[in-house]
Amino acid sequence: AQSVTQLDSQVPVFEEAPVELRCNYSSSVSVYLFWYVQYPNQGLQLLLKYLSGSTLVESINGFEAEFNKSQTSFHLRKPSVHISDTAEYFCAVRRSNDYKLSFGAGTTVTVRA
Amino acid sequence: DAGVTQSPTHLIKTRGQQVTLRCSPKSGHDTVSWYQQALGQGPQFIFQYYEEEERQRGNFPDRFSGHQFPNYSSELNVNALLLGDSALYLCASSLVGLPRWDTEAFFGQGTRLTVV
Repeated sequence: AQSVTQLDSQVPVFEEAPVELRCNYSSSVSVYLFWYVQYPNQGLQLLLKYLSGSTLVESINGFEAEFNKSQTSFHLRKPSVHISDTAEYFCAVRRSNDYKLSFGAGTTVTVRA
Repeated sequence: DAGVTQSPTHLIKTRGQQVTLRCSPKSGHDTVSWYQQALGQGPQFIFQYYEEEERQRGNFPDRFSGHQFPNYSSELNVNALLLGDSALYLCASSLVGLPRWDTEAFFGQGTRLTVV
């Protein structure tokens, strides 16, 4: 069963417009949540993470994500995108009783001028 | 500080052959995980090694095996290659002496395996 669902497979967006990438998960235990970015022909880079504490987490390059326990979501947002934000974005979950990361299928963000 | 390094970067093999992929973890890390990323999909967990033992395994056949060395580096071996094994293989390292969930996984650039 799919435990991490990224609701949008592709998101086209104009430069300087806002973007939201949706991620929902299913788990019967507490979780730790991550967003990774993958540029073409490269590995994964951690964008931001939620481990505990404040439900709103931010990255150094303007992205933010909010953990919503009741809705089991961890949506990623950026108020104004750049051409360089064009990439594949993956939501990942690690359950508190598990060692592995479970990934969603990814969302391709294409930023156009 | 070198991050996670993987070798080779690209590899072409024939069906039925065997392949070995290598990974050096980030300095100070003691745990290595391997993931398979098929084209257009998210990474899938293969297994994790800690203290030279396989600690957890994903839903992959026994054709996939691994090893971790005393210096924490790791190898992924795949026997009897199938066309469906073509994918990007990612190695991730982390520091997990005891289950320290406040650590993140750092990924290498991956090895692109093509089976023909």
